[in-house]
Formats: sequence, structure tokens, C-alpha cells
Amino acid sequence: DVVLTQTPPTLSATIGQSVSISCRSSQSLLHSNGNTYLHWLLQRPGQSPQLLIYLVSRLESGVPNRFSGSGSGTDFTLKISGVEAEDLGVYYCVQGTHAPYTFGAGTKLELK
Amino acid sequence: QVNLLQSGAALVKPGASVKLSCKASGYTFTDYYIHWVKQSHGKSLEWIGYINPNSGYTNYNEKFKSKATLTVDKSTNTAYMELSRLTSEDSATYYCQQPHYWGQGVMVTVSS
Repeated sequence: DVVLTQTPPTLSATIGQSVSISCRSSQSLLHSNGNTYLHWLLQRPGQSPQLLIYLVSRLESGVPNRFSGSGSGTDFTLKISGVEAEDLGVYYCVQGTHAPYTFGAGTKLELK
Repeated sequence: QVNLLQSGAALVKPGASVKLSCKASGYTFTDYYIHWVKQSHGKSLEWIGYINPNSGYTNYNEKFKSKATLTVDKSTNTAYMELSRLTSEDSATYYCQQPHYWGQGVMVTVSS
């Protein structure tokens, strides 16, 4: 199975600070059809996960543009440009290129 | 708006089965696969499998092949997941999701 390694496991930030989360895959996530099925989710406390970024860098409808995704192959990054209080929670990367689809262990974003 | 409404929490005895439902609305049900995901308490996410609502085709994570059975009822836009031979390891929150939206989750507790 593909292993997704997220770093850091915990991130402490102040409001307005820019932060990045890394997601590294144990194998390339480039599908034979040319797409890279690497997505980012946010799970706020007590809520179900929600999609933020799909296909590496596409912003989900309704998601603020302070969120951005980048990367290719095995290395991917989620950046939040100016953290807001509503951004607190656990961020997961997930891959849908290779079955079984797998999730990273999560990065918890906390207020400093 | 898109909504995936899941059935309520379940308390079931060891060895029993439980059937969870996920009623979709706000989009054409047959346009998107429905995935099911497990989240054990305080832990990350595990992909169980998906079903194509149009054809009924299923794809399971090998780990859950003998545990979960996915079905749909196109007449009611509802997806189902039956979990069998339940043990304490199956106590978790289960989510249904389509590529852009997640259900609210349902907590399954296995206890005598």
C-alpha cells in the first residue's frame, strides 16, 4: 500500500502566520492517465472531513484562496497564507491513484 | 446543495451485523462513486471501498473485503454498507463520501 508521510504532525501558528504542511508518498502518485490524485482535507474538531484541494492544486469551490497546493510525483505541500481561527483542526493528505486509497496520519494545526 | 445524510449511531453486540445508510441529495446520484471511510477514535482515516451507483460495481480495500458489503438503491438515492461479524476493532466512526462531499459520519459501538 502507498504510505503518505505528513510533516509536521503538529503545527502551532499565530493568526495571520503562513504555514506549510508536507506530504510525501512512498511511490509516485502520477496516474497513467496523466492525473495526480493527491488531495487535501481539513477535519475541524467534532466535524467530518471536508475537501480543500483536489488533484494537487485545484481549490475546491467555496474554499478560501489562502489555501494552495503544490507538488508532483512523491512530494506535495499544502500552504495556508495567513492562518485564521477557522483553519484550526487536522489536515490530511489522501491519494486516489493506487488502490487501496490511503491517507496521511494528519497534521494538527493549533493556535500558538 | 449536496447532502449525504447518514443513519444514526448504532450500538451492536459482538458477532452481530449492522447496515449503515447514506442518503444522497442535491446532485445526480449515479454521477459519482460513493466511498466509505473508517475513522477509529482519535486516529486517521482508512478507505474501505467504493461503489459505482450506476452499475453496482464495487472495489474494496483488501483489509475490509470480508468485513464490509457495499450496495445501493438507485430508487431512493441511498448507499448502504453492511458490516458483519463485528468485534471491538470495528468500533469507529464511518463516513460515506463522494469526491467533493462527506456525510456527517455515524458512530458504531460494538459492546455486549
